[in-house]
Amino acid sequence: DTGVSQDPRHKITKRGQNVTFRCDPISEHNRLYWYRQTLGQGPEFLTYFQNEAQLEKSRLLSDRFSAERPKGSFSTLEIQRTEQGDSAMYLCASSYGRNGEQYFGPGTRLTVT
Amino acid sequence: AQTVTQSQPEMSVQEAETVTLSCTYDTSESDYYLFWYKQPPSRQMILVIRQEAYKQQNATENRFSVNFQKAAKSFSLKISDSQLGDAAMYFCAYGNNDMRFGAGTRLTVKP
Repeated sequence: DTGVSQDPRHKITKRGQNVTFRCDPISEHNRLYWYRQTLGQGPEFLTYFQNEAQLEKSRLLSDRFSAERPKGSFSTLEIQRTEQGDSAMYLCASSYGRNGEQYFGPGTRLTVT
Repeated sequence: AQTVTQSQPEMSVQEAETVTLSCTYDTSESDYYLFWYKQPPSRQMILVIRQEAYKQQNATENRFSVNFQKAAKSFSLKISDSQLGDAAMYFCAYGNNDMRFGAGTRLTVKP
C-alpha cells in the first residue's frame, strides 16, 4: 500500500458548478477523515467515517457539502453550487481505530472562479 | 469546544541549534491525544510525534521531544540539532475522535 491517495490533485471550476473529490485510504484503516485547509491556516475538520458510517460532521459542512463512504473503503466529497469561498485545499486522512495516527493524502486543491 | 493555539506564526533557528515551538489547548476532557504534524512545502502532512494525555512521561522521537504540561494545557515541541530538512510548517493538534489543529508555525532553518 502506497498511502492515502486523492483525486484529482487540482480542480478549477466556475462558481455554481458541482465538484466531487475522491479519497482512497490505506486499505486496513477503518477511519477516514476530511479536512479543509486555506492558505496560512491549519486544517479544519469537516467530517469523519468509521467504516461506512459518518459519525461526526462539523458545522463548517453546510448543506451544499455531502460526503459518502459507501463500502467502507474509498470516500467521496461533493460540493454543490460551489462558491468562491470554497476555494481551499481539501485533505483526506485515514487511521486505524480511535486516535490512531492519521495518515494524510496529498490533498485536492480547489479553485472556484 | 476544543481549541488549539500556536502563538508563534514564524520561528527561525540556526542549523544544529535547538528550537522550541509552543502550543496551548483548551479542553474539558480528560482522555485525549496531542500531536505535532509537519507540513513541508509539498504540503503532505507527516506525523512528527504524539502524546497520550494519560501518560506523564514526555514523548521523544529521535531529535524531537515534547514538554507536556497537562495542568497548564501546554504541549511544546523541541527540535534538537536542527537540520535544513526540518524547515516546514508545524501544526499542533488535539485529538479525541476528530482532530483540531492550530494555525501553525513556519520554521525556517538557516545554514
